[in-house]
Amino acid sequence: AQKITQTQPGMFVQEKEAVTLDCTYDTSDQSYGLFWYKQPSSGEMIFLIYQGSYDEQNATEGRYSLNFQKARKSANLVISASQLGDSAMYFCAMREFEGGYNKLIFGAGTRLAVHP
Amino acid sequence: GAGVSQTPSNKVTEKGKYVELRCDPISGHTALYWYRQSLGQGPEFLIYFQGTGAADDSGLPNDRFFAVRPEGSVSTLKIQRTERGDSAVYLCASGSGKGGYTFGSGTRLTVV
Repeated sequence: AQKITQTQPGMFVQEKEAVTLDCTYDTSDQSYGLFWYKQPSSGEMIFLIYQGSYDEQNATEGRYSLNFQKARKSANLVISASQLGDSAMYFCAMREFEGGYNKLIFGAGTRLAVHP
Repeated sequence: GAGVSQTPSNKVTEKGKYVELRCDPISGHTALYWYRQSLGQGPEFLIYFQGTGAADDSGLPNDRFFAVRPEGSVSTLKIQRTERGDSAVYLCASGSGKGGYTFGSGTRLTVV
């Protein structure tokens, strides 16, 4: 069963507008972590934001915020005031805490294109 | 070093050949991960080291793939009898175990 689902293969947004990238996850663990990474065309994976399953507040990092809805098992990334440099692939990932393992499991990604 | 270093950045090899991909993690990071990313897909977990030992190798696709980390720092991913389907970007990441992961720039492997 797919653990991380990103249903939007591609998204378009106008510069300076906000955009939401969807992510749903599946786990039976009570303790887990959710991550978002950005991968520009150069290929590096850039960490954006983290949300722990026990965190009560939604995580925010500058223009990035994570809309965490635990009951719905969703962890959507919101990018405010989009910039041309935000054009990239975006990956949602989860870390389950089982038996001490802490590998990341990634979704298939969403390609974001920011238009001027 | 300041970041995770992966060498080579690009590798072209003939089908059937043996290749080694190297990852030099951030100094002091005990956890090291290998991922494979095919074109247009998300990274796929291969293997995870905690120190010198492989804590989880459940992602290795078959026995042609093997990885080592003999001194708990540098790791080598070894692929025997390469196949065209092995062509992908191989990503390495290291972590302190407490939170974030730092990824290297990857090795682009092309099997012709």
